[in-house]
This record gives sequence, structure tokens and C-alpha cells, in this order.
Amino acid sequence: DIQMTQSPSSLSASVGDRVTITCRASQRISSYLNWYQHKPGKAPKLLIYAATSLQSGVPSRFSGSGSGTDFTLIISGLQPEDFATYYCQQSYSTTFTFGQGTRLEIK
Amino acid sequence: EVQLVESGGGLIQPGGSLRLSCAASGFSVSTNYMTWVRQAPGKGLEWVSSFYADGRTYYADSVKGRFTISRDTSKNILYLQMNSLTAEDTAIFYCTKASNYGGNSGVLLDWGQGTLVTVSS
Repeated sequence: DIQMTQSPSSLSASVGDRVTITCRASQRISSYLNWYQHKPGKAPKLLIYAATSLQSGVPSRFSGSGSGTDFTLIISGLQPEDFATYYCQQSYSTTFTFGQGTRLEIK
Repeated sequence: EVQLVESGGGLIQPGGSLRLSCAASGFSVSTNYMTWVRQAPGKGLEWVSSFYADGRTYYADSVKGRFTISRDTSKNILYLQMNSLTAEDTAIFYCTKASNYGGNSGVLLDWGQGTLVTVSS
């Protein structure tokens, strides 16, 4: 199975900050990498698909980059509603795997 | 509008069985790639099982041999039969519909609100 490793596991930041979350795959997955935002008590929300494509309706302060094994989610200009847990997910293989998550907290 | 509504969760004793249902509307489960994802308390998201439109099914190693994914196309419902449950299966179970975006067929765009399964004596 493909393993996904996210870093950091948690992060403290302030409103207005620029935040970077990384995700590394245990093998090459081309651009089959998606990012989700998850808040307690709610369903996860798709932010970025195919590594770099912004899902419709998602603010442009979210962006994704990378291909192969190394990927990045950047949030430029944190807003109060962005404090949540973020997950990467590979869809290269038929057995999907998620990263362990990055919890973004208010400093 | 796509809607996914899970049901069937609850408190079950270790070793017991439970069947989760996911009622879909706004699309057909028979022509879409459906997936179950779970989140244990204090843990991250874990892919559990998938049902391709062509009938292929896949399972995480942690549930293989114990869980069975199925669908009733006449009722437009996805199921997850869970047997030999242990405390490690305690989680919120989400039903998701995967979408195909530019050849990437595993984009989990639509999610239900989840159903809680608690395995405890």
C-alpha cells in the first residue's frame, strides 16, 4: 500500500499568516493527490484535487503544488474559519490512503 | 443535488455485527464509485472500502475479511456489513461519492454527515 506522510502533525499560526503543509508519498503517484479540510462535527471538505486544482467555491488563498512524491498545501493569509485539520489523500491506487492529518490551531 | 445519508450506527458489543446504510439521492450508486471512510476518536481519516461502478470492491487491510461493501441499486443504497467488531472499529463512518476530475477518479467530493459506531461491552 502507498503510505502518505504529512508534516507537521500540528501547527500554530495567527490570522493573516502564510502556512505550508507538506505531504510525501511512499512511491510516485503522479498528480493523484487531493487535499481536504475537516472541522469537528462536520463532513470533510474537498479543497484541492489533482495536486493543484482548486475546487469550485474554495477561496483562492488555498493553493496546492507538487507531483510525483512531494506535495504542498499553502494557505496564504489565514482566516479565522481556516483553523481545522487538513488531510492529503492519494487516489493513484484503488486502495486510497490519507495522510495522518495536520491540525492547524490559533496562536 | 447530491445527498448522502448514513444510518445504522450505534453501540455494539465486541464480536458483534452491524450493517451501515447510505441512502443516496441526486445520482445513482450503480454508476458511481462509492467509498466508506472512517475516523476513530482522536485519530485521522482512514479509507475503509470502495465499490466501483463495474462491481469491483476493495478493502483496507484492517477490515478485510470482516467487512463487506454492497449496494442495492433498486433502492439506491450503499451498505457496509461489519462483522467481528472490535474496540478498534469504534469510529464515525462516512459514506462518500468519488468523482472523476480530469482522469483522477478518486476525488471525494460528496460526503455524508457520518454515523457513529461504538464497540464496547
